This record gives sequence, structure tokens and C-alpha cells, in this order.
Amino acid sequence: DIQMTQSPSSVSAYVGDRVTITCRASQVIGAWLAWYQQKPGKAPKLLIYAASTLQSGVPSRFSGSGSGTDFTLTISSLQPEDSATYYCQQANTFPLTFGGGTKVEIK
Amino acid sequence: EVQLVESGGGLVQPGGSLRLSCAASGITFSTYAMRWVRQAPGKGLEWVSDISASGSGTYYADSVQGRFTISRDNSKDTLYLQMNSLRADDTAVYYCAKDGSGGKTFDYWGQGTLVTVSS
Repeated sequence: DIQMTQSPSSVSAYVGDRVTITCRASQVIGAWLAWYQQKPGKAPKLLIYAASTLQSGVPSRFSGSGSGTDFTLTISSLQPEDSATYYCQQANTFPLTFGGGTKVEIK
Repeated sequence: EVQLVESGGGLVQPGGSLRLSCAASGITFSTYAMRWVRQAPGKGLEWVSDISASGSGTYYADSVQGRFTISRDNSKDTLYLQMNSLRADDTAVYYCAKDGSGGKTFDYWGQGTLVTVSS
């Protein structure tokens, strides 16, 4: 199975700050990587797929990069509504696997 | 508007069975693979099972292999998850999700249904 490791597990930042979350796969997965945002009590929401393609309707302050085993999700200017937990997911092979999550809080 | 609505969750004793349903609307259901994902209380996301658009291909996490069965009825735009031999560690919110772009992603999710396995 492909293990997905996210860091940090939590981050606290000010509105307007740039926030970066990293995700590392235990095997090469090309660009088959997705990012999700989950708010408490809600279903996850797809933000980015194919490592860097923004899902329709997602604000442009979100961006993704990387390929192979190392990936990054960046929020260029943190907004209050971005307070949530973020998960990466390898979309390459079964079993599909998620990272452990990164909780983003607003200072 | 795409809508996925799960039902069938509830409280069940260890060793018991439950069948979850996921009714889809706003999509041509028969053209998309579908999947189940679960989230234990306070924990992260765990993929459970996949089914191909036609229903001919199914895939399972090792943790549920042999106990859970995924199926679909394309005439009713409905996805199912039959869960047998339930254990306490199956307690979770179960989400159905539609296959998205960029590989095996999840682009639309239901609201989730809570399954609690306890005596």
C-alpha cells in the first residue's frame, strides 16, 4: 500500500499569511494526487486534482504543485473561511490512501 | 446540481449487519465509478470500497474485504454498501462519493451517514 505522510499536522497563521502543507508518498505516484478541505461536521470538498489542477469553483488562492513523491498545497493569502482540515490523497492505485490531515487554524 | 444522499446508518450490535444506500441525482449515474469512504470519530479519512460504472469491477480495503459488499442499481441511480460481521472499529461516518477527474478522486460527496457498532 502507498503511505501518504502530511506535514505539519497543524498550523496556526494570521489572515493574509501564506500557508504551505506538504504531502509525501511512499512510492512514486506521478501527478495522481488530490487535495481536500474538510470543515467540522461536513463532508470533504475536492480542491485540487492531478497535483495542480484547481477544481471548478475553488478560489485561486489555493494552488498545488509537485510530482513523483513530493507534493505541496499552498494557500497564498489565508482567509477566515479557510479554517479547516486538509487531506491529501493518492489517486493512482488501490487501495486509495489519504494523508493524516493538517488542521489549519486562524490566529 | 449533483446530489448524493446516504441513508441506512444507525446503531447495530457487534456481529450484526447493515445496508447503506446512496441515492444520486443530477448526474448520469451509470457512467461514473462510485466509492465509499469512512471517517471514525475524530479520525482521518479511510477509503472503503469502489465499484466501476457498470458494476463489473469492485475493490475493497483489506479492513473490510470479505465482510462488506459494494453494489449498484443503475436503473435506480443508487449505490449500496452491505456491511456484515460488523465490529466496533467499523464505527464511523460513511460517505459515498462520485469518481472525479485526475485519477481515482472524489469530486462530489454525500452528507454522510453514521454507523455505530456497539452492544
